Amino acid sequence: GAGVSQSPSNKVTEKGKDVELRCDPISGHTALYWYRQRLGQGLEFLIYFQGNSAPDKSGLPSDRFSAERTGESVSTLTIQRTQQEDSAVYLCASSSSGGGRGEQFFGPGTRLTVL
Amino acid sequence: SQQGEEDPQALSIQEGENATMNCSYKTSINNLQWYRQNSGRGLVHLILIRSNEREKHSGRLRVTLDTSKKSSSLLITASRAADTASYFCATEGAGTYKYIFGTGTRLKVLA
Repeated sequence: GAGVSQSPSNKVTEKGKDVELRCDPISGHTALYWYRQRLGQGLEFLIYFQGNSAPDKSGLPSDRFSAERTGESVSTLTIQRTQQEDSAVYLCASSSSGGGRGEQFFGPGTRLTVL
Repeated sequence: SQQGEEDPQALSIQEGENATMNCSYKTSINNLQWYRQNSGRGLVHLILIRSNEREKHSGRLRVTLDTSKKSSSLLITASRAADTASYFCATEGAGTYKYIFGTGTRLKVLA
């Protein structure tokens, strides 16, 4: 596609429920990143994929968070048993080369609200 | 711990003036990138500077990198109202794939 897309754009859920966020990177981009941005703050790195492997998962805040990627395509970020502190905008970015050798193209984000 | 810290946190200038934002980081890096974020367009990449580079230009943007001081600056010349946004630096730690973003500088350009 023309750019990185994410779905849903907004998600409101109740505390304790599981949510799944989706990212469609730019076609051909091998690197994919997930970030979290709380209101008025910078981006918090969550996980990096090179192809479908994740060399760096160190940013995942807890074992309630997991992510998968199918080949060099779609990625899903799953948050189990959501908590109110999970409320944030979740941003996905893709890059044509991994390891930061290229610019990252960001999607519009998914705004998650946990009630 | 957060790697990139921008300074100032907020900046308000008149159209036509130059805006300078600074970024400091803590560990060795592979490269440093600057991004702009506004509500209309989301996060947009501005410029990337590698650890072995000292200065880069792109249009009205000038970025410097001082690895001995672990700092970078972003200069926007002849600012426009459309430059109003938050600006973030992002560093990729040496030997890692992780990008660390700072808290950002909120720039307001008054017409």
